[in-house]
Amino acid sequence: GENVEQHPSTLSVQEGDSAVIKCTYSDSASNYFPWYKQELGKGPQLIIDIRSNVGEKKDQRIAVTLNKTAKHFSLHITETQPEDSAVYFCAAVQGGSEKLVFGKGTKLTVNP
Amino acid sequence: DAGVTQSPTHLIKTRGQQVTLRCSPKSGHDTVSWYQQALGQGPQFIFQYYEEEERQRGNFPDRFSGHQFPNYSSELNVNALLLGDSALYLCASSRRTDTQYFGPGTRLTVL
Repeated sequence: GENVEQHPSTLSVQEGDSAVIKCTYSDSASNYFPWYKQELGKGPQLIIDIRSNVGEKKDQRIAVTLNKTAKHFSLHITETQPEDSAVYFCAAVQGGSEKLVFGKGTKLTVNP
Repeated sequence: DAGVTQSPTHLIKTRGQQVTLRCSPKSGHDTVSWYQQALGQGPQFIFQYYEEEERQRGNFPDRFSGHQFPNYSSELNVNALLLGDSALYLCASSRRTDTQYFGPGTRLTVL
């Protein structure tokens, strides 16, 4: 089945800097890749997603890139703010199913 | 428009007991998926319900069962609770194969 690896597990940046989180997946049939932000005591919130027919997608300060050949995708956050501090999860939809397979998460801390 | 809602928020049970968790999907959504999230880990897929039937199942034992009602709401039942079942249980709703939106979760503690 699908396996998703996420790096780094923790990331600390200064306010205004950029943050990059990387994920790799194993199932070449996976075709949908969402990113979720989870704040303490809350459920995961969708922040951006990308489908396999697109190489890059941007929404204000957040962008996601996908390299199907290398089977990896990345989340880029520019001009980080303290409210961006949270745990971020990447996920992949296993080919032939609607099951989300998640990475282990990245704890992002933005220092004022 | 209400998002995905779950009840209860927190629950404490003892080993061997049974528990039922509830989920109401986002308006317009017909599919409900359940995930278990252990502390410090990513969510793990338990199963998915569509048209009142279990469509897909993850690697969880038969102690985990579910149900979907005609109004698309869903229940997750866990029998013979183990200490290792302590986790945050998340419900996600979607329009069939579309994007999944998560609820706030139910924190289950098994003593």
